[in-house]
This record gives sequence, C-alpha cells and structure tokens, in this order.
Amino acid sequence: ETGVTQTPRHLVMGMTNKKSLKCEQHLGHNAMYWYKQSAKKPLELMFVYSLEERVENNSVPSRFSPECPNSSHLFLHLHTLQPEDSALYLCASSQDNRRGADTQYFGPGTRLTVL
Amino acid sequence: AQTVTQSQPEMSVQEAETVTLSCTYDTSESDYYLFWYKQPPSRQMILVIRQEAYKQQNATENRFSVNFQKAAKSFSLKISDSQLGDAAMYFCAYRGLNTGTASKLTFGTGTRLQVTL
Repeated sequence: ETGVTQTPRHLVMGMTNKKSLKCEQHLGHNAMYWYKQSAKKPLELMFVYSLEERVENNSVPSRFSPECPNSSHLFLHLHTLQPEDSALYLCASSQDNRRGADTQYFGPGTRLTVL
Repeated sequence: AQTVTQSQPEMSVQEAETVTLSCTYDTSESDYYLFWYKQPPSRQMILVIRQEAYKQQNATENRFSVNFQKAAKSFSLKISDSQLGDAAMYFCAYRGLNTGTASKLTFGTGTRLQVTL
C-alpha cells in the first residue's frame, strides 16, 4: 500500500448508529487531517493532528470524535449523526505542518450517507 | 480571514486544446502558498502545482502552468494539450504562513473540467 488509504470507501448508517472511519498514511508524515466535502461547498477542515496531538478543531460538533493513536493512523468516530452530515470525508497527511511549503496528500475519501 | 473564489463552476475544452481555470483570493498576508489540486471521478485529490508567493516566476509542471498575479490576487491554471485524463474537478487552495502550528488550507468551490473529443 502506498500513499494515503481510507476505509471504508462507502458507508450508510442510521442516525442512531455508531461507526468509525479509518485513515492510514504510508508516507512517513507527521501530520494528519480530516476534511468534509459537501456538494457545491468548499472543503471544510475538521481536525488537524501534528505528532499525534490535536492542533486544530474547527468548531466541529461533538458527534464527530477524532482519534490519532500514532502518526500513521487517524480515525473519525461517528455517533448520532444527522442527515446533513452526509458527505465525502477526506483524510490527508503532510510531512510537517509547521513548514510553509508543507504539502498535503489526500486519501480517496469515504462517502457517508446518513439515513 | 482568507477566501478563495473560483468563479467558473464548469469548463469544457477539446482534446489537445488549451484551457485556463480562474482563481482569485483575498488575504492580508504578504507571504503564502497557493495550490491547484485535481480530483478525478475516483475522488483521490492530487496535487497539480504549487506556487510560493515570494517567487515571481510562475510555476510549471509539464503541461500545467500558472499565471500568478500577486497584486491582483489572481492564480489561474493553464492546461496545455488537454487530454481525456485531465477531466476532473480542480480546486484552488491557499495556505498562509501566519497560521500558527496548523497547516490550514483554504479551498475554493472547484471548477469541473470536461474534456471532449
């Protein structure tokens, strides 16, 4: 496996379910990110982790709970979601988010549908 | 706050022709980075090209080049000799250097590029 991988690629869940999205990066990077991509809206940054420490939380509802157990893995735990949370969730990683030239590399995304 | 505007929701180009995608941004910072990302139907976002604001020379990557006009806060992407594989959503993104420890990219809403035979 190379680059950034995400599982599952598609997820359908009810509003009372609990599920988790998984992201893994094979690039030796130190920072990882969760984005939400909704139709006709700019990508929204949700969370940033640097060296396994959360450094950014963009006013995301508590029904989204991130976890970064090590620099290669990032999870997004979901519970009691709403239909408006249906979107493509993208994971990204970068070498060092303190550097100006730092470039983010994205995974293929998880298409989430909340019924 | 920084904003990125892509005023062309959709564009179309014939194969082998050249197309230019527009992007403007608003910032009060003097140093920053600008990016173009490509998102094909498979949805893997791919970095196309990157420009450093303090560099006056426009970045180029093979058939992709940018026209960076700092005073006008404009950052357009030119695709030469368009190929069918260029069909995708293209996102313009901004990253300032005064963002503390977070690598915060601000994205535009994207331009969908169609390539026709």
